[in-house]
Amino acid sequence: EAQVTQNPRYLITVTGKKLTVTCSQNMNHEYMSWYRQDPGLGLRQIYYSMNVEVTDKGDVPEGYKVSRKEKRNFPLILESPSPNQTSLYFCASSSPSLGVGEQFFGPGTRLTVL
Amino acid sequence: RKEVEQDPGPFNVPEGATVAFNCTYSNSASQSFFWYRQDCRKEPKLLMSVYSSGNEDGRFTAQLNRASQYISLLIRDSKLSDSATYLCVVTPRSSASKIIFGSGTRLSIRP
Repeated sequence: EAQVTQNPRYLITVTGKKLTVTCSQNMNHEYMSWYRQDPGLGLRQIYYSMNVEVTDKGDVPEGYKVSRKEKRNFPLILESPSPNQTSLYFCASSSPSLGVGEQFFGPGTRLTVL
Repeated sequence: RKEVEQDPGPFNVPEGATVAFNCTYSNSASQSFFWYRQDCRKEPKLLMSVYSSGNEDGRFTAQLNRASQYISLLIRDSKLSDSATYLCVVTPRSSASKIIFGSGTRLSIRP
């Protein structure tokens, strides 16, 4: 089954404790992206990657890092989480041949930073 | 001004009604347009792309008006299962890789 998986699905952590949210897709998509969703603000793009070793900042990259060492994986790293990073995070993938706007989303990770 | 704006709603309509909502975008060079559907606490899912000539998929019709810089979504014969938040998505021509989501319009269909 074609899918995007994220782990963990739920995470409660404390300020400053480094964490990684994993994202993996099995569709051989070149394009992957991370978003955060907050009430009233909608989905905002954090980082995206056009292919292996190619990443770029979205609209809200501060406080986040990403890496793309393999085509299928695109982890999101919070080196020193803060309470304002409490949010619902989605990973997505697509193929430029379809158009990057046609994305498949993971189920989301709900993060709470205390 | 936000790059992509939507009326947050909620739109509350009876089953069987026709409902339409718009999404405006500020960048006249925007390239591609889409409608996504998001159920409560779930991930967004692509509903349909929006083509320049307009397109239809069953009960759903999407239109693009480049002159006035908006896209629209029309739902005919609405079903209870259409209750969701509808997100419009724009990809700016300046960066084919950047994707901008609207905040969404909430639709509630009542029996």
